[in-house]
Amino acid sequence: DVKVTQSSRYLVKRTGEKVFLECVQDMDHENMFWYRQDPGLGLRLIYFSYDVKMKEKGDIPEGYSVSREKKERFSLILESASTNQTSMYLCASSYNWQGSNSPLHFGNGTRLTVT
Amino acid sequence: SQQGEEDPQALSIQEGENATMNCSYKTSINNLQWYRQNSGRGLVHLILIRSNEREKHSGRLRVTLDTSKKSSSLLITASRAADTASYFCATDAAALIFGKGTTLSVSS
Repeated sequence: DVKVTQSSRYLVKRTGEKVFLECVQDMDHENMFWYRQDPGLGLRLIYFSYDVKMKEKGDIPEGYSVSREKKERFSLILESASTNQTSMYLCASSYNWQGSNSPLHFGNGTRLTVT
Repeated sequence: SQQGEEDPQALSIQEGENATMNCSYKTSINNLQWYRQNSGRGLVHLILIRSNEREKHSGRLRVTLDTSKKSSSLLITASRAADTASYFCATDAAALIFGKGTTLSVSS
């Protein structure tokens, strides 16, 4: 069974801190994604990656960056955390499938609070 | 953004009843997917329907797709308390784009 592991379930950081959210998948998936989820706004795509060292901006990349040095690991970086980045962050992975998106496998999320 | 929109936003039913949720989207798709999210957890994939399919079944789930109307529906038959969750449709673009979800509450 596919496992997507997010390093922290809950995280509390201070405004201005640099924050790293880590995600690891164990199924050799090519694709990895970072979403944030907020009440009333649903899931919004921050960044995604189709291959090692490759990244694409999603709908809301401002204030975030990502790193994919190894196929199994996709890191989300908040360069200088702000209170409006308090949210649930969800990582997901999938395999390449005929040019379209195969089902996503999600981690359990990291609930980040920035104070 | 090509975000899908689920309707209704919230639905409350009794155990044993059927639950129907709808999804509308704006652009052409390769496929449409439905996911479930239990409170405070990640999303779990339920079913994928391709653009050339009209209906698909999986256990108590039935999904329909009408590409001419750019809409899909998810039917859960004989609902159980364990079906209480939020349900999301996701449309296939460069990456999956999710709607805001329908919160289903099934009471016994």
